[in-house]
Amino acid sequence: NAGVTQTPKFQVLKTGQSMTLQCAQDMNHNSMYWYRQDPGMGLRLIYYSASEGTTDKGEVPNGYNVSRLNKREFSLRLESAAPSQTSVYFCASKGTGVTYEQYFGPGTRLTVT
Amino acid sequence: GQQLNQNPQSMFIQEGEDVSMNCTSSSIFNTWLWYKQDPGEGPVLLIALYKAGELTSNGRLTAQFGITRKDSFLNISASIPSDVGIYFCAGQKADSNYQLIWGAGTKLIIKP
Repeated sequence: NAGVTQTPKFQVLKTGQSMTLQCAQDMNHNSMYWYRQDPGMGLRLIYYSASEGTTDKGEVPNGYNVSRLNKREFSLRLESAAPSQTSVYFCASKGTGVTYEQYFGPGTRLTVT
Repeated sequence: GQQLNQNPQSMFIQEGEDVSMNCTSSSIFNTWLWYKQDPGEGPVLLIALYKAGELTSNGRLTAQFGITRKDSFLNISASIPSDVGIYFCAGQKADSNYQLIWGAGTKLIIKP
């Protein structure tokens, strides 16, 4: 039981390049989330998927797209990377029922030059 | 933007000291969660609180759900070196089933 996994762990992009961050969970959770973490700012929600087949914008969605490929996988795409997107990206998942507890992956450290 | 005020931003502690931190908001929350993040890792859930007034412990950690439902507190007793890291509070508001609101974190540093 690996929990939430993310790939890659590190990535360096040039301005304008595109890439997809991958996330998968093996806990049979319905809801999945993408956050970015910048120094001193805590976690900010980019997009979330309440259940398979649905996605919704969070606090900072501009410049990103997401795909909920199936119940296990939720990917985040940067179509044209900008230096302002340099950050650490975390994926999380949440189970069903009366719980709001989110479980996090190890993060992807992205630098855009 | 963020709607949770987390204090203090950072604190230097001696090994063996007790530690207190808190999160406050002008909004009412139904759930409070406390997480710890070690360097280079994702946040790990420490304690979840679901009822106003609830007091829950996890080893040397104790967290409380404030009576007003607008705040929460985390205490660490007899701190040890592995307590170093960033502690985050997160709250779930009554009008949101899926999203959490996050504090900016409290960074715990052990004095040499």
